[in-house]
Amino acid sequence: DTGVSQDPRHKITKRGQNVTFRCDPISEHNRLYWYRQTLGQGPEFLTYFQNEAQLEKSRLLSDRFSAERPKGSFSTLEIQRTEQGDSAMYLCASSLGANQGSETQYFGPGTRLLVL
Amino acid sequence: AQSVTQLDSQVPVFEEAPVELRCNYSSSVSVYLFWYVQYPNQGLQLLLKYLSGSTLVKGINGFEAEFNKSQTSFHLRKPSVHISDTAEYFCAVSGYGGATNKLIFGTGTLLAVQP
Repeated sequence: DTGVSQDPRHKITKRGQNVTFRCDPISEHNRLYWYRQTLGQGPEFLTYFQNEAQLEKSRLLSDRFSAERPKGSFSTLEIQRTEQGDSAMYLCASSLGANQGSETQYFGPGTRLLVL
Repeated sequence: AQSVTQLDSQVPVFEEAPVELRCNYSSSVSVYLFWYVQYPNQGLQLLLKYLSGSTLVKGINGFEAEFNKSQTSFHLRKPSVHISDTAEYFCAVSGYGGATNKLIFGTGTLLAVQP
């Protein structure tokens, strides 16, 4: 069990550029979640997948954001036309996918995005 | 909908002293409750969770929490803290039996342990 990994750990970009983040969940986990954490705040839910199906999206996930999990394994989160307000830590988590609501979500180290 | 309130943004405490981090929640349905810890530049790690049964839950690193349904609280306690406990602590809820699995987090409490 190598845990949840995220790449890159840090990303600096200029406003208007597109960025893509990758998350590799724990291998046997069926559920994968994306959260965003800004300074001084708790993580906020963005979206989650059950295998390759995206089952819920927050209204925080504007049209500029898209997430995929094409083969039910790793996931990518893309932000198009980045804005300074997108600067945050993007956290990925995974869980087994056997129980509703009660499962432990295991978090990766996050990708810190800075938009200049 | 659920929400979580962590009233204390920072809690300074001396090493070996007891500590309590407060968490209150609001929900129209039954909830599961979680405490996560975040060390600097790291992801979140589960400390403990309440699903059902005994209202006193024991977690890792000597932490425990008590679920109080009437007060809608889930306060985190440790009888004697160490310097290494310095971190951000987040309380979170998820809805019981619902279609969603998302966690709703509080704003966090920074526990600052001083020698």
